[in-house]
Amino acid sequence: EIVLTQFPGTLSMSPGERATLSCRASQSVRNRDVAWYQQKAGQAPRLLIYGASNRAVDIPDRFSGSGSGTDFTLTITRLEPEDFAVYHCQHYDTSRRWTFGQGTKVEVK
Amino acid sequence: EVQLVESGGGLVKPGGSLRLSCVASGFIFNSYTLHWVRQAPGKGLEWVSSISSSSSYIYYADSMKGRFTISRDNTKNSVHLQLNSLRAEDTAVYYCARVEDYGDYGTGFYYWGQGTLVTVSS
Repeated sequence: EIVLTQFPGTLSMSPGERATLSCRASQSVRNRDVAWYQQKAGQAPRLLIYGASNRAVDIPDRFSGSGSGTDFTLTITRLEPEDFAVYHCQHYDTSRRWTFGQGTKVEVK
Repeated sequence: EVQLVESGGGLVKPGGSLRLSCVASGFIFNSYTLHWVRQAPGKGLEWVSSISSSSSYIYYADSMKGRFTISRDNTKNSVHLQLNSLRAEDTAVYYCARVEDYGDYGTGFYYWGQGTLVTVSS
């Protein structure tokens, strides 16, 4: 079973700053099987990125995903007030099971 | 518009049972696999189970196999999750979710319900 480790656990940032969130898989995975979600308090998650680097519908271009192998990154180029939230990475494997990282909270400094 | 509406959560004693339901609308229900994903308070997301469009393929997370049972009724556009032998650590918001498949470009849970809270406590 693939384990996803997200770091840092919490990122303290100011609006307008660039945020870089990391997700490391316990073994090499295919890019197409990696996704990122945003979750605000009391809400369901929202799909941001699929296939490691493809933005989902209506996701602003300040969000971008990159990486390959075991290391993946979500970058938010200029933090907007509405971007302060928890971000989850996720992997889908060929045994039809889904795994999530433990999440990174982006909070206001 | 795709909608997923969960119900059935509540307070249950350890060892008890609960049946969660998710009613879907806005898409051809019997063409899609449906999933349950849960989130314990203050914790990350955890995939629970999935059921294919005709119920032919059913998968569970290892930690829930044997205690949870997923089913669906395509005549009622609904999917269910039977939770048995509940433990305190099963306390979570349970979400019904549907994947959007982008082919070779990837996949992800695009549609989510609002969730239903299950609390296991004496």
